[in-house]
Amino acid sequence: EAQVTQNPRYLITVTGKKLTVTCSQNMNHEYMSWYRQDPGLGLRQIYYSMNVEVTDKGDVPEGYKVSRKEKRNFPLILESPSPNQTSLYFCASSSWTSGTYTDTQYFGPGTRLTVL
Amino acid sequence: DAKTTQPTSMDCAEGRAANLPCNHSTISGNEYVYWYRQIHSQGPQYIIHGLKNNETNEMASLIITEDRKSSTLILPHATLRDTAVYYCIVPNDNYGQNFVFGPGTRLSVLP
Repeated sequence: EAQVTQNPRYLITVTGKKLTVTCSQNMNHEYMSWYRQDPGLGLRQIYYSMNVEVTDKGDVPEGYKVSRKEKRNFPLILESPSPNQTSLYFCASSSWTSGTYTDTQYFGPGTRLTVL
Repeated sequence: DAKTTQPTSMDCAEGRAANLPCNHSTISGNEYVYWYRQIHSQGPQYIIHGLKNNETNEMASLIITEDRKSSTLILPHATLRDTAVYYCIVPNDNYGQNFVFGPGTRLSVLP
C-alpha cells in the first residue's frame, strides 16, 4: 500500500531535549516536505526537499532542521525544542516532474508534539 | 498567506450535492487549483485539481470559471463521511508544491 508513515504519532517532551520525528514514504517520490498545523493558522510549510541531498526552507523553518540522505526518508529534527513548537506535524511527499505542477501531495497521519 | 478565500462553514443534507466555492482572484495563468480535505486531525487527503477545464473524478467535480478567478468543488451525493474541512489551494511557489492551507470550509453533512 502506498503510504507516508510518521513516528512517533504522539510525543510529549521537555524544553531543550533534542528530538527527531521520522518520515518515510514507499512511493519513490522525489519531493518531500514538512508542515505544522496550529489552530487558526492552518498548515504551514517548514522545510521541503526536491530530492536526495537537496533541502530548502519553507515558510516557518526557525528552530527546525532536516536531512535527506535517502530518497524515502525525511526526518525532522528539533535540536532544542521550545513550547512554541507544540503543534501537529505532517510530512508529505509527491512525485514532481520538472515543468509540471500537477502532482498531488500525499500526507502522513500526523505527529502531535507537546513541548513542556 | 493563502491565495484563496473560502466560506468558513457550510451545511449540506445527506444525499444532496455539496457545492463548495473558492475565490482565487490573483491566480496566474499556469497555476493549478487543488482541493484537499481533512477529517478531524488526520492528514489532508487529495480530492481533485485543475487548471482551466472542468475536472471530474470518482470523488468530486471541479468547476473553474472562465476567468479562473473562482472555482467550485462539487460532491454530488454527500454522505456523513464527507463531513470535513475542505481546503482550496493555489501553491505559493514556482514548483507548485508549497501548499499554504488557509482556514478552509468546514462542511457538515446532516442526516
